Amino acid sequence: DTEVTQTPKHLVMGMTNKKSLKCEQHMGHRAMYWYKQKAKKPPELMFVYSYEKLSINESVPSRFSPECPNSSLLNLHLHALQPEDSALYLCASSQEGGGAYNEQFFGPGTRLTVL
Amino acid sequence: GQNIDQPTEMTATEGAIVQINCTYQTSGFNGLFWYQQHAGEAPTFLSYNVLDGLEEKGRFSSFLSRSKGYSYLLLKELQMKDSASYLCAVPGGATNKLIFGTGTLLAVQP
Repeated sequence: DTEVTQTPKHLVMGMTNKKSLKCEQHMGHRAMYWYKQKAKKPPELMFVYSYEKLSINESVPSRFSPECPNSSLLNLHLHALQPEDSALYLCASSQEGGGAYNEQFFGPGTRLTVL
Repeated sequence: GQNIDQPTEMTATEGAIVQINCTYQTSGFNGLFWYQQHAGEAPTFLSYNVLDGLEEKGRFSSFLSRSKGYSYLLLKELQMKDSASYLCAVPGGATNKLIFGTGTLLAVQP
């Protein structure tokens, strides 16, 4: 299994809603990532989990809350989002370590619209 | 810090060859990645270079010059399906962090 899956594919939410994005991989990867991507821009790193512990938080607002329940799952909890948070949210995973082990496998993304 | 530059857009003709350049400045170097991303889809891995020289993979080749801080992706026998954004990326200072360039949007025309 060389796939990263994400659910849902599309999500529309109001500014007062609470929702969660889910990501799953079964490649035995120990590093997992959340990226945000706006149209015609490269992915922007939000969070990195390494061995189920948060290792990087790129100064992301607290209305985004990541969670890594186990080595295969990564969640992103959303609360009180703003319309400018509308974007494609990508999950990725890689083997732990540097160099070629940083090859990241991306999920198909969740297209989020905040009304 | 890290800085990566790529052309924003390129246009090429079906069947032709196109070269997409990437220049980078990094504190330390641990290889360079190329990813392809079709509109609305996830980035997919194309290549990884850590030593100088050209690596060929079918119609796609990637070149690296560490002394010049320069890489290029060469696409041969272009097909319409090659129309996509091509992202150059280097690992950041900490392990597991990838710094992406702005991406080059390639349009292949008949």
